[in-house]
Amino acid sequence: GEDVEQSLFLSVREGDSSVINCTYTDSSSTYLYWYKQEPGAGLQLLTYIFSNMDMKQDQRLTVLLNKKDKHLSLRIADTQTGDSAIYFCAETPTDSWGKLQFGAGTQVVVTP
Amino acid sequence: EPEVTQTPSHQVTQMGQEVILRCVPISNHLYFYWYRQILGQKVEFLVSFYNNEISEKSEIFDDQFSVERPDGSNFTLKIRSTKLEDSAMYFCASSVSGGGNQPQHFGDGTRLSIL
Repeated sequence: GEDVEQSLFLSVREGDSSVINCTYTDSSSTYLYWYKQEPGAGLQLLTYIFSNMDMKQDQRLTVLLNKKDKHLSLRIADTQTGDSAIYFCAETPTDSWGKLQFGAGTQVVVTP
Repeated sequence: EPEVTQTPSHQVTQMGQEVILRCVPISNHLYFYWYRQILGQKVEFLVSFYNNEISEKSEIFDDQFSVERPDGSNFTLKIRSTKLEDSAMYFCASSVSGGGNQPQHFGDGTRLSIL
């Protein structure tokens, strides 16, 4: 079956690093994504990684992929109050190119 | 930066009425999608659309739902006879191509409330 799991809540101090974790079950997934949702807004694409990569860095964001354990993480360096949002992990299985499967989202709260 | 726009931002409709949700995808994108998020639940795929036809649909997308690209810019989702359980946030998305390396870009959503 296909399922994406995330922890529901993360509290982090401003300036610290945040790590948001995600596990997925579909081993045939080709691409894995991180989206950010601020209150009242839509889903903003943050970054994505192809399944044959282990790591991708984009400014303050680092994505790590452990394909053996089907584990994906998003690290945000120097977390700011503007990073407070819900973060969604999503995958696209190889047999369904257009169908994003989302996790439930992780609410990140950044405290001063 | 170009973006996907959705109207209205909030739609309130009586149960049993028809509703049309509108989306303007990014102009050079060829693939279009609808998702929904019931309050407190995951974002769920509804349908994908390419070349004026449905490419894939989920179990949720039953005969009450339809999609259309009535002109060169709009992409609509119609719910024929709304039910209370259709209350949700509906997101439109678009992508340049169907491959995963061209990710989907989402609009801000339409909150649909069925009374």
